[in-house]
Amino acid sequence: ILNVEQSPQSLHVQEGDSTNFTCSFPSSNFYALHWYRWETAKSPEALFVMTLNGDEKKKGRISATLNTKEGYSYLYIKGSQPEDSATYLCAFITKGAQKLVFGQGTRLTINP
Amino acid sequence: GAVVSQHPSRVICKSGTSVKIECRSLDFQATTMFWYRQFPKQSLMLMATSNEGSKATYEQGVEKDKFLINHASLTLSTLTVTSAHPEDSSFYICSARDRIAGSRGGYGYTFGSGTRLTVV
Repeated sequence: ILNVEQSPQSLHVQEGDSTNFTCSFPSSNFYALHWYRWETAKSPEALFVMTLNGDEKKKGRISATLNTKEGYSYLYIKGSQPEDSATYLCAFITKGAQKLVFGQGTRLTINP
Repeated sequence: GAVVSQHPSRVICKSGTSVKIECRSLDFQATTMFWYRQFPKQSLMLMATSNEGSKATYEQGVEKDKFLINHASLTLSTLTVTSAHPEDSSFYICSARDRIAGSRGGYGYTFGSGTRLTVV
């Protein structure tokens, strides 16, 4: 059974501070890692699709890195804003499967 | 961008009845649709994969006679929870797979907004 772990499970950050959280996944048979941002009552929104070891991707104040050899990805948010409050999901895909295996998510709350 | 519309968002039904959940891709053709379930404090768990025009593939432990999936067109997939029981109360969400332009074969996944099912 593939296991994808996200930590921490929840996080409270003061507005303006920067933060980061982790997604750990099996290092063998890697195909891709996806990050999603999920606000309550909305659809999960794709942030990044990462495929190569050493990938670094950026979207505004949010960025992500990928280490496929050791099996982890970090998501960084710089200068947190209240609209960043959401659950951040990572999902792992193995070669040949094309099915997303999700972590439990990190619930981020930005305090004004 | 790609949008998947999922209905209903919430449904309460009596034990023993059936409930149908619909997912429609609004501006693209979803040849493959995934159905997930999420119990409280757990991750999204894949239930089944459906390809347009063929039978769905169910994950281990998911009863295919209980969770009927129909993917009769490129824009519509449905999940019917038959003879629902309280233990079927959960959050159900669909996801359509589409190719990412310029990604050399990579796929993107567009999600519906989910359905909260409560069986009383």
